[in-house]
Amino acid sequence: AQTVTQSQPEMSVQEAETVTLSCTYDTSESDYYLFWYKQPPSRQMILVIRQEAYKQQNATENRFSVNFQKAAKSFSLKISDSQLGDAAMYFCAYRPGTYKYIFGTGTRLKVLA
Amino acid sequence: GAVVSQHPSRVICKSGTSVKIECRSLDFQATTMFWYRQFPKKSLMLMATSNEGSKATYEQGVEKDKFLINHASLTLSTLTVTSAHPEDSSFYICSARMTSGGEGVETQYFGPGTRLLVL
Repeated sequence: AQTVTQSQPEMSVQEAETVTLSCTYDTSESDYYLFWYKQPPSRQMILVIRQEAYKQQNATENRFSVNFQKAAKSFSLKISDSQLGDAAMYFCAYRPGTYKYIFGTGTRLKVLA
Repeated sequence: GAVVSQHPSRVICKSGTSVKIECRSLDFQATTMFWYRQFPKKSLMLMATSNEGSKATYEQGVEKDKFLINHASLTLSTLTVTSAHPEDSSFYICSARMTSGGEGVETQYFGPGTRLLVL
């Protein structure tokens, strides 16, 4: 079965510091996409970053970057220079060829001033 | 960026009534939309995949006669909760699939969600 695991229910980071959120997934497919979504208190899901499995280069979007380890089936999110506005629930998602997204259980990130 | 809207944002209804939730892709056409359900402090659970012009595909355990999905156009999908009961109270989120770029990278864009409370 295809599953996505986020082992950290909650994380805290000091403002301006760096934090890494972990995500592992289980699949037998070789071609797929991975995503990190942010859900602030408004509940609106916001795409943070996307990684294509066939690309070896890790995706980067400004302060957000991923460490994609395909063999280990690991897809962690690094947030640099954390800001108060980064506080939210973060969901890791896996999308195989069927277009159905499978979400992890989420990590609540707290940013301390 | 792509925008997906949902209406209403919140609804309160009496037990036994039906409630319709609309999901619209505002600036792109979406042949496929998805409906999720999210319980408090939980992840998103896919309920069904809505395909324009054809029947929706429901996930295991989701009652298709209770959660009616219609995808009549490329920009609108509706979810109707029929004969709602208190246990149907939840946060319902839709998303629309858009393919972009030369490599055909597909991304889902999410609506802001609808909070349903059944009394």
